[in-house]
Amino acid sequence: GESVGLHLPTLSVQEGDNSIINCAYSNSASDYFIWYKQESGKGPQFIIDIRSNMDKRQGQRVTVLLNKTVKHLSLQIAATQPGDSAVYFCAGDSMDTGRRALTFGSGTRLQVQP
Amino acid sequence: DTGVSQNPRHKITKRGQNVTFRCDPISEHNRLYWYRQTLGQGPEFLTYFQNEAQLEKSRLLSDRFSAERPKGSFSTLEIQRTEQGDSAMYLCASSSWDSLYGYTFGSGTRLTVV
Repeated sequence: GESVGLHLPTLSVQEGDNSIINCAYSNSASDYFIWYKQESGKGPQFIIDIRSNMDKRQGQRVTVLLNKTVKHLSLQIAATQPGDSAVYFCAGDSMDTGRRALTFGSGTRLQVQP
Repeated sequence: DTGVSQNPRHKITKRGQNVTFRCDPISEHNRLYWYRQTLGQGPEFLTYFQNEAQLEKSRLLSDRFSAERPKGSFSTLEIQRTEQGDSAMYLCASSSWDSLYGYTFGSGTRLTVV
């Protein structure tokens, strides 16, 4: 089955710095990944997604990188702001079995220091 | 329609009691998902509906759990004979047919079994 995990439980950065949150997955058949942001007391909020036929995708202040060789993806946040403080989850799925369910990692808490 | 609505936001119940949660998805979304999230962990998939049909259930969904979406709109999740291990945040998400994974989560129902 799918297993998705994160390297660090907490990441602390200074306001204005760039943040990098990492994620590893175990299922080589995984072909779709999403990054979510979750603030306290709220549900996960979609940030950006990437399919396995891509290595990189950019959004507004965010970039996701996918390395299928080592089964690793990362979320880069440029010019981190206090409002970016939250828990970040990566989630993945494989369409080879036609599943419609994402497997989430345990999350990384991003703390932005002023 | 401002998003996915879940009720109640919080529920405290005694062990052995039955509880029911409701989810109102975004009106034009035909896909609806239930997830469970425990403290410090990512959401875990429970079940998935496409319109009124329940297409997939996780092994986490024991026989004490039942979910319905009778008219393809709102959904209910019932837990019978609650146990302390059922204490968690129950999240609902919905998506349209053309945004399979970029789906919108509600704020969840936090269940505490005492």
